[in-house]
Amino acid sequence: GENVEQHPSTLSVQEGDSAVIKCTYSDSASNYFPWYKQELGKRPQLIIDIRSNVGEKKDQRIAVTLNKTAKHFSLHITETQPEDSAVYFCAAIPSGGYQKVTFGTGTKLQVIP
Amino acid sequence: KAGVTQTPRYLIKTRGQQVTLSCSPISGHRSVSWYQQTPGQGLQFLFEYFSETQRNKGNFPGRFSGRQFSNSRSEMNVSTLELGDSALYLCASSLVTSGTDTQYFGPGTRLTVL
Repeated sequence: GENVEQHPSTLSVQEGDSAVIKCTYSDSASNYFPWYKQELGKRPQLIIDIRSNVGEKKDQRIAVTLNKTAKHFSLHITETQPEDSAVYFCAAIPSGGYQKVTFGTGTKLQVIP
Repeated sequence: KAGVTQTPRYLIKTRGQQVTLSCSPISGHRSVSWYQQTPGQGLQFLFEYFSETQRNKGNFPGRFSGRQFSNSRSEMNVSTLELGDSALYLCASSLVTSGTDTQYFGPGTRLTVL
C-alpha cells in the first residue's frame, strides 16, 4: 500500500521567515496531494492541493511543489506569521476514492514572534 | 453554505458500550468519509459512503460500521467499545467520490472510553 513520509515532525521558525515541509510517497498511482492545517482542538482545513498534472501551485503566501519523478511534494509558507502555528498534514490519494488515502504523520509548526 | 457538522462533539463511554456518531455533509455533497485520529496512529481512513453505499473500508475491525441515508447524512457506530477506541473521529464530505475531489472536514467527535 501507499506510504507517506513527512518531515520534519517539528519546525520552529522566526516570524517573517519561510517554512518548508516535505512529503515523500511510494505509490505512483497517487495523483492528488492535499495539505491540511489543523489548529489545536480544531478540524483539519484544506489550505492548498495539487494534482499530478501540475508541478507547482501558489496561493498568496502558500505554495506547493510536486516532483512526480522523485515522488515527493513540498509545502512552502513564506513570510510566516504567528497564526500559521499549527500541525500540517500532507496526504497522497490515488484516483478512485478516498479509501486509499494515506496521510503523513504531521508537522508541528511553531512561528516565534 | 454551512460546513460539515458532527454530533455529538464529545462523548464519554465505558468499555463494552456502543456509540453512534452522526455527520451531516455540506449541502450537495454525496460522499462522506470517516477517519480516526489518534496521537499514535495519526489520521486513518475508516470508510467512505457514496449514494448510501459503502465504497470501501479501512483496516478496522467489524465493530466499526456505518451507513448513509438518502439525504447523504451518515452515521458511524462502534460496538463493544475498547479503551483503544478513544480518539477524535472526523468525517469529511466531498461532491463526488473520485478521490481527487476536495474534502471538507467536520469538527470531529471526541470519544473517550473509560
